[in-house]
Amino acid sequence: EPEVTQTPSHQVTQMGQEVILRCVPISNHLYFYWYRQILGQKVEFLVSFYNNEISEKSEIFDDQFSVERPDGSNFTLKIRSTKLEDSAMYFCASSLDGTGRDTQYFGPGTRLTVL
Amino acid sequence: GENVEQHPSTLSVQEGDSAVIKCTYSDSASNYFPWYKQELGKRPQLIIDIRSNVGEKKDQRIAVTLNKTAKHFSLHITETQPEDSAVYFCAASIVPMEYGNKLVFGAGTILRVKS
Repeated sequence: EPEVTQTPSHQVTQMGQEVILRCVPISNHLYFYWYRQILGQKVEFLVSFYNNEISEKSEIFDDQFSVERPDGSNFTLKIRSTKLEDSAMYFCASSLDGTGRDTQYFGPGTRLTVL
Repeated sequence: GENVEQHPSTLSVQEGDSAVIKCTYSDSASNYFPWYKQELGKRPQLIIDIRSNVGEKKDQRIAVTLNKTAKHFSLHITETQPEDSAVYFCAASIVPMEYGNKLVFGAGTILRVKS
C-alpha cells in the first residue's frame, strides 16, 4: 500500500537556522498538508497546498514558513529562522481529492529539535 | 473557526471491556469526522470515519456515532485488546472543499487496555 514518506526522521538545529523538511506524498494525490504536534499536545493544521499554491494556512504559518512543490514528487516545508517554540513533530499528509475520497494519509513525521 | 473538544483525556479499561471516547465540534458546517490512532512515536493512522449523511458506522470492533443536532460524535471500541492501547484523536472537517480540507483535531485520548 502506498505511503507518505518524510525525511529526515529527526532534525536538530540551532535557533535562527533555516531548516527544510521534506515529504513525498502518495503519487496520485492532489492535496498536500503540513501539520505539527508539539510534544504531548494535539495535532495542529499549518497549511494546505493544491495546484501549486497555498489554499489555506493557519495563524501558526507566519512569514517564517514557506512550502514548495519543487518537482512532481516532493513537497517541502521551510522554516527560515527557527525558534525554540518550533520544536515539534511535523507531519505531512496528502489526500486524493475533495469530492468523496477525503481521507488524509499521514507521513511518519519529522521530529524537529531547536536548541 | 472550528473547535473540537475531546473527552476523556485518559481512559483505562480492562481487556475485553468497551471503551467510549466522545468529541464535540462547534462549526455546524463540518460534515466529515475521522478518527486517528497514534501509537507512541508513530504517524496518526485513520481507523474509521463518518460523514454527516449517516448516523453510525461500524468496522468490526470499532464503531462511530454522530449526532448532528447536538454536534457530537463518539468512538466505540468493543472487546478491547492490549494492542488497542494508543492515543486516539478525533477530527472534524468540511468536505468537499475545492482547495483541500483541513482537519481540526481534538486534544486526544490516551487509551490503556490492562490485561
